[in-house]
Amino acid sequence: EAQVTQNPRYLITVTGKKLTVTCSQNMNHEYMSWYRQDPGLGLRQIYYSMNVEVTDKGDVPEGYKVSRKEKRNFPLILESPSPNQTSLYFCASSRPGQLDGYTFGSGTRLTVV
Amino acid sequence: GQQVMQIPQYQHVQEGEDFTTYCNSSTTLSNIQWYKQRPGGHPVFLIQLVKSGEVKKQKRLTFQFGEAKKNSSLHITATQTTDVGTYFCAGPGGYNKLIFGAGTRLAVHP
Repeated sequence: EAQVTQNPRYLITVTGKKLTVTCSQNMNHEYMSWYRQDPGLGLRQIYYSMNVEVTDKGDVPEGYKVSRKEKRNFPLILESPSPNQTSLYFCASSRPGQLDGYTFGSGTRLTVV
Repeated sequence: GQQVMQIPQYQHVQEGEDFTTYCNSSTTLSNIQWYKQRPGGHPVFLIQLVKSGEVKKQKRLTFQFGEAKKNSSLHITATQTTDVGTYFCAGPGGYNKLIFGAGTRLAVHP
């Protein structure tokens, strides 16, 4: 089954404790992206990657890092999480130009206390 | 910067009533996409519109792309409880980047 897999689904952590949210897709998509979703703000892009070793900032990149060492994986790293990073995070992938739209993962609900 | 705005933010209907959500862009769009997110779920791609004035239908859902390619609408005829969720429009904000509207949350009461 074609899918984007994110882990974990839920995470509660403390301020300053580094964490990684994993994302993997099995569709051989070149393009991958991370979004955060907050009430009333819709989906805002954090980082995206157009292919292996090619990443770029989205609209809200502060406090996040990403890497794209393999085509299928695109982890999101929070080096020193803060409470304002409490949010619902989605990973998405697509073919170039989003011809078929994005395929989203199931989401990771992160709480930073 | 480019913005994609959606109205209304929230709509509550009785089952069987129609529903429409509107999407407006500050710039001309090459295409527009629509997604549905069920409560507790993730966004799921519904459709992409590319041509000026294009109208596409998926069962009870009708999608339109404006003549100027700056606005779009999603109309649901005779809503059902299965239509509950948030509907997002999204337009390209550069190569391989999508800018999402804030979404319209639809509640359907039986």
